[in-house]
Amino acid sequence: KNEVEQSPQNLTAQEGEFITINCSYSVGISALHWLQQHPGGGIVSLFMLSSGKKKHGRLIATINIQEKHSSLHITASHPRDSAVYICAGRGAQKLVFGQGTRLTINP
Amino acid sequence: ETGVTQTPRHLVMGMTNKKSLKCEQHLGHNAMYWYKQSAKKPLELMFVYSLEERVENNSVPSRFSPECPNSSHLFLHLHTLQPEDSALYLCASSQWDRRSYGYTFGSGTRLTVV
Repeated sequence: KNEVEQSPQNLTAQEGEFITINCSYSVGISALHWLQQHPGGGIVSLFMLSSGKKKHGRLIATINIQEKHSSLHITASHPRDSAVYICAGRGAQKLVFGQGTRLTINP
Repeated sequence: ETGVTQTPRHLVMGMTNKKSLKCEQHLGHNAMYWYKQSAKKPLELMFVYSLEERVENNSVPSRFSPECPNSSHLFLHLHTLQPEDSALYLCASSQWDRRSYGYTFGSGTRLTVV
């Protein structure tokens, strides 16, 4: 079992739908990152959070430290949101990654 | 452009070749990382350099040899690789202190070993 687990592994939705990706972790972390990886491989950091909730545009990330759980939400999803979304827990100066969630938004 | 530049973007090499991957950042970060991403697997940490000193080596085979000549540049030297080493190799940088947690990733080098 991975120290950082994401669900679902694959998600296909129609444009405009509300998307939720979940991340649970079993290790002690000081912060949790949500990353976006587009085809071709480049990774972009979306959020880093250690408590509560953050919002950027149509993206919202929440974390519950007690339950060791984080969620990434996308409102009014668009085909350009199609990517792999990765959560990563920050341990002692290194990141422990989940396996990623492949999101496909159809027009 | 994220601030972390990796070259080349794609590399095909034979098992007897020697090649190097290059990573460069001018973000003022003082820690740099090599990650390996194989198909359908989470990213795996290979090496961490902080203040130009290697502080972590995750039992990576000796056919991978990192080099960090200064805080802005990181290399991964490759020799006598195996086909299973084919993967996406990602470089990242961050600030090595508790006040800043941001990581910046490069676009990766997609390596194919034939």
